[in-house]
Amino acid sequence: QLKLVQSGAEVKKPGSSVRVSCKGSEDTFNNYGINWVRQAPGQGLEWMGGIIPRFGIPIYARKFQGRVTITADKSANTTYMELSSLTSEDTATFYCAKSKDILTYDAFNIWGQGTVVIVSS
Amino acid sequence: DIQMTQSPSSLSASVGDRVTISCQASQDIHNFLNWYQQKPGKAPKVLIYDVSNLETGVPSRFSGSGSGTDFTLTISGLQPEDSATYYCQQYSRAPYAFGQGTKVE
Repeated sequence: QLKLVQSGAEVKKPGSSVRVSCKGSEDTFNNYGINWVRQAPGQGLEWMGGIIPRFGIPIYARKFQGRVTITADKSANTTYMELSSLTSEDTATFYCAKSKDILTYDAFNIWGQGTVVIVSS
Repeated sequence: DIQMTQSPSSLSASVGDRVTISCQASQDIHNFLNWYQQKPGKAPKVLIYDVSNLETGVPSRFSGSGSGTDFTLTISGLQPEDSATYYCQQYSRAPYAFGQGTKVE
């Protein structure tokens, strides 16, 4: 079964950027919507955006538009989420999650292990 | 943007109880509604997709119902391992918002 492996924890300064990667274990990865979800400590889940690597066109939540960039490298079965202008409110665990059906965004049936990002001066 | 509102925000129940969690969308989401379970320190796990379809491997004590804007997750016969936070999520239109979560203890 497809697995998603995310990059490791990061500590960043306020105002800087962070890039988190999400690698799929199979080539089929490129046919599914890959979503990014933020979860601040003790808080709920926020959908940030997503991309279907095969098409390469990202979609973003309005809240994060202008600060988030989601890209895909099909040859590496990997998507990336870059968040800029970091503040302490961006301290969170970031998850990538695969949509259940191909070429669409629907239920998130496979999740990465999560990447902790700490923003601190 | 579509807003998702869950109730209650938390509840306490006993083993064997029947538990219901409600989720209301701010507009008709045409049954594009999923439910997730999250345990502390773990990634969420999908339980139910498209209102009432049980994900493979999920115990049959979990069920979902509803339509339009009002949806319900039911746990029939609560088990100790069901202690978790539960989220609804719409995918009718981006952004694919989650409810704020319901903690079940």
